Amino acid sequence: DAGVTQSPTHLIKTRGQHVTLRCSPISGHKSVSWYQQVLGQGPQFIFQYYEKEERGRGNFPDRFSARQFPNYSSELNVNALLLGDSALYLCASSLWGLAGGFEDTQYFGPGTRLTVL
Amino acid sequence: AQKVTQAQTEISVVEKEDVTLDCVYETRDTTYYLFWYKQPPSGELVFLIRRNSFDEQNEISGRYSWNFQKSTSSFNFTITASQVVDSAVYFCALSEARGAGGYQKVTFGIGTKLQVIP
Repeated sequence: DAGVTQSPTHLIKTRGQHVTLRCSPISGHKSVSWYQQVLGQGPQFIFQYYEKEERGRGNFPDRFSARQFPNYSSELNVNALLLGDSALYLCASSLWGLAGGFEDTQYFGPGTRLTVL
Repeated sequence: AQKVTQAQTEISVVEKEDVTLDCVYETRDTTYYLFWYKQPPSGELVFLIRRNSFDEQNEISGRYSWNFQKSTSSFNFTITASQVVDSAVYFCALSEARGAGGYQKVTFGIGTKLQVIP
């Protein structure tokens, strides 16, 4: 079975531009989460989506937004890019269990490496 | 507040040595989950283990073993007879339920970079 896929692999943008990152979850998984990983740090939670609804949001500015589609794939959008947005953006998918998902194992994609110049 | 501490930023060992990666967590919840992930240079996080807060049994999987001690809020990871392929960054993570509707907030530690020298 295919794992979590993300596109593009790498992206170079300039300050002030907008970027869209894409993620396809593992077949059968209904929840997608997004993380930002700055070099030398652990992943930081941005969003979790389930059944097309935002279920949770981390401490990120409104420049960050996301959505989930009927096929459970997801997009992460970042507006007005800043140099500090340069990072590896990771997408994770999970089943979403009866307890609201927090017991789930999240499986990660290869990430999109965003460089903002 | 949740917090995951991995005090060892980098560890170097010679191949075939045993190595233990430490993880200490903080939470006020009684029900939570702990994870270990491996991140090789390619960048993808690879799931290794999940443990819930009510299961304190140690677990062994091949050369890997995990020691969960609730009394000390620790979830340590030991690699026995390390190999060069074990070189990676290892992350400990804490998962709790959050929000009225419920969602999974996962907090990661800073990671421990393991280098296994041949």
